[in-house]
Amino acid sequence: AQTVTQSQPEMSVQEAETVTLSCTYDTSESNYYLFWYKQPPSRQMILVIRQEAYKQQNATENRFSVNFQKAAKSFSLKISDSQLGDTAMYFCAFKETSGSRLTFGEGTQLTVNP
Amino acid sequence: DTGVSQNPRHKITKRGQNVTFRCDPISEHNRLYWYRQTLGQGPEFLTYFQNEAQLEKSRLLSDRFSAERPKGSFSTLEIQRTEQGDSAMYLCASSLRETGKAFFGQGTRLTVV
Repeated sequence: AQTVTQSQPEMSVQEAETVTLSCTYDTSESNYYLFWYKQPPSRQMILVIRQEAYKQQNATENRFSVNFQKAAKSFSLKISDSQLGDTAMYFCAFKETSGSRLTFGEGTQLTVNP
Repeated sequence: DTGVSQNPRHKITKRGQNVTFRCDPISEHNRLYWYRQTLGQGPEFLTYFQNEAQLEKSRLLSDRFSAERPKGSFSTLEIQRTEQGDSAMYLCASSLRETGKAFFGQGTRLTVV
């Protein structure tokens, strides 16, 4: 079974600075997807970024980028120029390419301070 | 609004009662998922539909839980004889094909008293 671990329960950053959230996972699969989801206080889960395991290039979406290290089974999220609206719970998630379910980590609560 | 819609948003029920939640996915999405999320935890997978067929169920889905998607559009999740341990946020998500991009609804918060 796949497991996803987020070792940072809480993090904080000053507005406009950069922060990196960590995620590690365990799987025997070679083809899979990795995701970062954001869950603001309103509770709707929003997809931030997706990485396909067969792609060596790290995914980027505007201020959000990942550092995907397949051999180390590591998938960190970097948020540049942090904004107050980035305050949320961030979840790392794993999905087998041929599977249906997402397996989530326990989350990291990020607070952006003015 | 063309996102995933869940109703009701909140439900308070007495222990032992039955409850039913509804999920309306994004219209062109043929895959629909239910997850459960307790406070401070990540969502846990419950079940998955492709069109009207329920293809996967988690061991978390006890006999008291049943889900349907009768016409491959909306879905319902019913919990019979609710217990206090059922108190959680129930999330619905949908996706198109196996792109992996699942879009979530705002959830139904269940409180069993």
